[in-house]
Amino acid sequence: QKEVEQNSGPLSVPEGAIASLNCTYSDRGSQSFFWYRQYSGKSPELIMFIYSNGDKEDGRFTAQLNKASQYVSLLIRDSQPSDSATYLCAVNLGRVRDNLFFGTGTRLTVIP
Amino acid sequence: DTEVTQTPKHLVMGMTNKKSLKCEQHMGHRAMYWYKQKAKKPPELMFVYSYEKLSINESVPSRFSPECPNSSLLNLHLHALQPEDSALYLCASSQDPEGTYGYTFGSGTRLTVV
Repeated sequence: QKEVEQNSGPLSVPEGAIASLNCTYSDRGSQSFFWYRQYSGKSPELIMFIYSNGDKEDGRFTAQLNKASQYVSLLIRDSQPSDSATYLCAVNLGRVRDNLFFGTGTRLTVIP
Repeated sequence: DTEVTQTPKHLVMGMTNKKSLKCEQHMGHRAMYWYKQKAKKPPELMFVYSYEKLSINESVPSRFSPECPNSSLLNLHLHALQPEDSALYLCASSQDPEGTYGYTFGSGTRLTVV
Protein backbone atom coordinates (compact mmCIF):
# COMPACT_ATOMS: atom_id res chain seq x y z
CA GLN A 1 0.00 0.00 0.00
CA LYS A 2 1.36 3.40 -0.99
CA GLU A 3 2.08 5.87 1.80
CA VAL A 4 0.11 8.67 0.17
CA GLU A 5 -2.54 8.25 -2.48
CA GLN A 6 -4.16 10.83 -4.70
CA ASN A 7 -6.47 10.62 -7.65
CA SER A 8 -4.20 11.45 -10.57
CA GLY A 9 -7.03 13.11 -12.48
CA PRO A 10 -7.12 15.04 -14.65
CA LEU A 11 -9.75 17.04 -12.78
CA SER A 12 -11.50 19.70 -14.83
CA VAL A 13 -13.69 22.41 -13.34
CA PRO A 14 -15.22 25.53 -14.87
CA GLU A 15 -13.92 28.92 -13.88
CA GLY A 16 -15.56 30.14 -10.67
CA ALA A 17 -16.40 26.65 -9.42
CA ILE A 18 -15.02 24.85 -6.38
CA ALA A 19 -12.20 22.37 -7.05
CA SER A 20 -11.93 19.53 -4.54
CA LEU A 21 -8.68 17.58 -4.30
CA ASN A 22 -8.38 14.53 -2.10
CA CYS A 23 -5.57 12.59 -0.48
CA THR A 24 -5.40 9.55 1.80
CA TYR A 25 -2.42 8.33 3.79
CA SER A 26 -1.53 5.05 5.41
CA ASP A 27 0.68 5.92 8.42
CA ARG A 28 -1.33 6.86 11.51
CA GLY A 29 1.83 8.43 12.93
CA SER A 30 1.67 11.17 10.29
CA GLN A 31 1.94 14.53 11.96
CA SER A 32 1.69 17.29 9.40
CA PHE A 33 0.20 17.58 5.98
CA PHE A 34 1.05 19.79 3.06
CA TRP A 35 -0.34 20.79 -0.29
CA TYR A 36 2.10 21.85 -2.96
CA ARG A 37 1.17 23.40 -6.30
CA GLN A 38 3.41 22.65 -9.25
CA TYR A 39 3.09 24.33 -12.61
CA SER A 40 4.41 22.41 -15.59
CA GLY A 41 8.20 22.57 -15.70
CA LYS A 42 8.41 24.49 -12.42
CA SER A 43 9.22 23.50 -8.86
CA PRO A 44 6.67 22.69 -6.15
CA GLU A 45 5.31 25.65 -4.19
CA LEU A 46 3.90 25.18 -0.69
CA ILE A 47 0.38 26.60 -0.59
CA MET A 48 -1.19 25.07 2.53
CA PHE A 49 -0.22 23.06 5.58
CA ILE A 50 -2.35 21.65 8.36
CA TYR A 51 -1.60 19.83 11.61
CA SER A 52 -4.90 19.56 13.45
CA ASN A 53 -8.21 17.97 12.63
CA GLY A 54 -10.67 20.32 11.01
CA ASP A 55 -10.46 23.07 8.47
CA LYS A 56 -7.82 25.68 7.79
CA GLU A 57 -8.59 28.54 5.44
CA ASP A 58 -6.22 30.83 3.58
CA GLY A 59 -7.86 33.06 1.00
CA ARG A 60 -9.51 30.90 -1.63
CA PHE A 61 -7.87 27.73 -0.27
CA THR A 62 -9.22 25.50 2.49
CA ALA A 63 -7.38 22.44 3.77
CA GLN A 64 -9.39 19.82 5.62
CA LEU A 65 -7.90 17.09 7.82
CA ASN A 66 -9.59 14.04 9.29
CA LYS A 67 -7.01 11.92 11.12
CA ALA A 68 -9.52 9.23 12.06
CA SER A 69 -10.24 8.62 8.39
CA GLN A 70 -6.62 9.35 7.36
CA TYR A 71 -7.87 11.82 4.84
CA VAL A 72 -6.78 15.30 3.85
CA SER A 73 -8.34 17.49 1.19
CA LEU A 74 -7.85 20.84 -0.49
CA LEU A 75 -10.74 22.99 -1.65
CA ILE A 76 -10.14 25.83 -4.07
CA ARG A 77 -13.03 28.29 -4.21
CA ASP A 78 -13.72 30.56 -7.19
CA SER A 79 -11.27 28.56 -9.30
CA GLN A 80 -9.26 30.57 -11.79
CA PRO A 81 -7.43 29.44 -14.95
CA SER A 82 -4.21 30.34 -13.13
CA ASP A 83 -5.00 27.55 -10.65
CA SER A 84 -4.43 25.00 -13.42
CA ALA A 85 -1.50 22.96 -12.17
CA THR A 86 -0.59 19.67 -10.51
CA TYR A 87 -1.33 19.56 -6.80
CA LEU A 88 0.91 17.35 -4.69
CA CYS A 89 -0.21 16.11 -1.31
CA ALA A 90 2.69 15.50 1.11
CA VAL A 91 2.63 13.86 4.51
CA ASN A 92 5.25 14.33 7.22
CA LEU A 93 6.03 11.54 9.68
CA GLY A 94 7.92 13.78 12.09
CA ARG A 95 11.21 11.92 12.00
CA VAL A 96 14.63 12.77 10.61
CA ARG A 97 14.88 9.88 8.17
CA ASP A 98 12.33 9.57 5.37
CA ASN A 99 10.11 12.23 6.84
CA LEU A 100 8.14 13.50 3.85
CA PHE A 101 6.11 11.39 1.47
CA PHE A 102 4.52 12.75 -1.67
CA GLY A 103 1.44 11.54 -3.47
CA THR A 104 1.58 11.21 -7.23
CA GLY A 105 -0.27 14.50 -7.69
CA THR A 106 -3.63 15.52 -9.14
CA ARG A 107 -3.65 17.52 -12.34
CA LEU A 108 -6.25 20.29 -12.20
CA THR A 109 -7.51 22.18 -15.24
CA VAL A 110 -9.76 25.21 -14.78
CA ILE A 111 -11.73 25.88 -17.93
CA PRO A 112 -12.40 29.56 -18.74
CA ASP B 1 15.27 36.08 2.39
CA THR B 2 12.73 33.27 2.01
CA GLU B 3 14.16 31.61 -1.04
CA VAL B 4 16.19 28.62 -2.06
CA THR B 5 18.40 29.56 -5.01
CA GLN B 6 19.57 26.97 -7.50
CA THR B 7 22.06 27.35 -10.31
CA PRO B 8 22.20 26.74 -13.17
CA LYS B 9 18.55 26.71 -14.27
CA HIS B 10 19.35 24.60 -17.30
CA LEU B 11 22.27 22.27 -17.99
CA VAL B 12 23.13 20.12 -20.98
CA MET B 13 26.02 17.74 -20.48
CA GLY B 14 27.63 14.86 -22.27
CA MET B 15 28.04 11.46 -20.67
CA THR B 16 31.75 12.04 -20.07
CA ASN B 17 31.40 15.51 -18.54
CA LYS B 18 31.73 16.56 -14.93
CA LYS B 19 29.43 19.30 -13.71
CA SER B 20 28.02 20.58 -10.44
CA LEU B 21 24.64 21.86 -9.35
CA LYS B 22 24.52 24.49 -6.64
CA CYS B 23 21.93 25.37 -4.04
CA GLU B 24 21.90 28.15 -1.48
CA GLN B 25 19.53 29.24 1.30
CA HIS B 26 19.88 31.96 3.91
CA MET B 27 16.84 31.17 6.01
CA GLY B 28 18.82 29.40 8.72
CA HIS B 29 17.22 26.09 7.78
CA ARG B 30 18.95 23.10 9.37
CA ALA B 31 18.25 20.48 6.72
CA MET B 32 18.75 20.50 2.97
CA TYR B 33 17.67 17.99 0.36
CA TRP B 34 18.27 16.94 -3.21
CA TYR B 35 15.35 15.56 -5.17
CA LYS B 36 15.06 14.21 -8.69
CA GLN B 37 11.80 14.62 -10.57
CA LYS B 38 10.84 13.01 -13.86
CA ALA B 39 7.93 14.26 -15.92
CA LYS B 40 4.48 13.55 -14.44
CA LYS B 41 6.02 11.93 -11.35
CA PRO B 42 6.40 13.21 -7.78
CA PRO B 43 9.83 14.25 -6.54
CA GLU B 44 12.11 11.39 -5.47
CA LEU B 45 14.43 11.92 -2.54
CA MET B 46 18.13 11.51 -3.30
CA PHE B 47 20.06 12.98 -0.38
CA VAL B 48 19.40 14.61 2.97
CA TYR B 49 21.80 16.79 4.91
CA SER B 50 20.88 17.44 8.50
CA TYR B 51 23.07 19.92 10.38
CA GLU B 52 25.54 19.65 7.49
CA LYS B 53 25.91 15.90 7.83
CA LEU B 54 24.67 13.41 5.27
CA SER B 55 21.74 11.78 6.97
CA ILE B 56 20.44 9.32 4.42
CA ASN B 57 21.42 8.25 0.94
CA GLU B 58 18.56 6.69 -0.92
CA SER B 59 20.77 4.21 -2.79
CA VAL B 60 21.61 6.79 -5.39
CA PRO B 61 24.26 5.78 -7.96
CA SER B 62 27.78 6.96 -7.20
CA ARG B 63 27.81 9.12 -10.31
CA PHE B 64 25.90 11.58 -8.10
CA SER B 65 27.98 12.99 -5.26
CA PRO B 66 26.56 15.47 -2.75
CA GLU B 67 28.52 18.01 -0.77
CA CYS B 68 27.49 20.41 1.97
CA PRO B 69 30.30 22.98 2.47
CA ASN B 70 28.37 24.90 5.13
CA SER B 71 24.88 25.30 6.53
CA SER B 72 23.76 27.53 3.63
CA LEU B 73 25.21 25.69 0.66
CA LEU B 74 24.56 22.37 -0.99
CA ASN B 75 26.22 21.01 -4.11
CA LEU B 76 25.52 18.01 -6.29
CA HIS B 77 28.50 16.83 -8.31
CA LEU B 78 27.70 14.95 -11.50
CA HIS B 79 30.03 12.61 -13.36
CA ALA B 80 29.54 10.08 -16.14
CA LEU B 81 25.80 10.46 -16.20
CA GLN B 82 23.45 8.48 -18.37
CA PRO B 83 20.66 9.79 -20.61
CA GLU B 84 18.10 8.38 -18.15
CA ASP B 85 19.45 10.80 -15.55
CA SER B 86 17.87 13.65 -17.49
CA ALA B 87 15.33 15.20 -15.12
CA LEU B 88 14.48 18.24 -13.02
CA TYR B 89 16.79 18.35 -10.01
CA LEU B 90 15.30 20.11 -7.03
CA CYS B 91 16.97 21.42 -3.94
CA ALA B 92 14.87 21.98 -0.83
CA SER B 93 15.39 23.05 2.74
CA SER B 94 13.45 22.70 5.95
CA GLN B 95 13.53 24.67 9.16
CA ASP B 96 14.15 21.55 11.24
CA PRO B 97 15.49 18.09 10.29
CA GLU B 98 12.05 16.58 10.87
CA GLY B 99 10.52 18.80 8.19
CA THR B 100 7.76 19.81 10.61
CA TYR B 101 6.86 23.03 8.76
CA GLY B 102 7.34 21.69 5.27
CA TYR B 103 10.02 22.15 2.70
CA THR B 104 10.91 25.18 0.63
CA PHE B 105 11.95 24.19 -2.87
CA GLY B 106 14.31 25.97 -5.20
CA SER B 107 13.34 26.61 -8.81
CA GLY B 108 15.24 23.55 -9.96
CA THR B 109 17.88 22.68 -12.55
CA ARG B 110 16.61 21.13 -15.77
CA LEU B 111 19.33 18.61 -16.66
CA THR B 112 19.66 17.01 -20.05
CA VAL B 113 22.27 14.31 -20.60
CA VAL B 114 23.23 13.74 -24.24
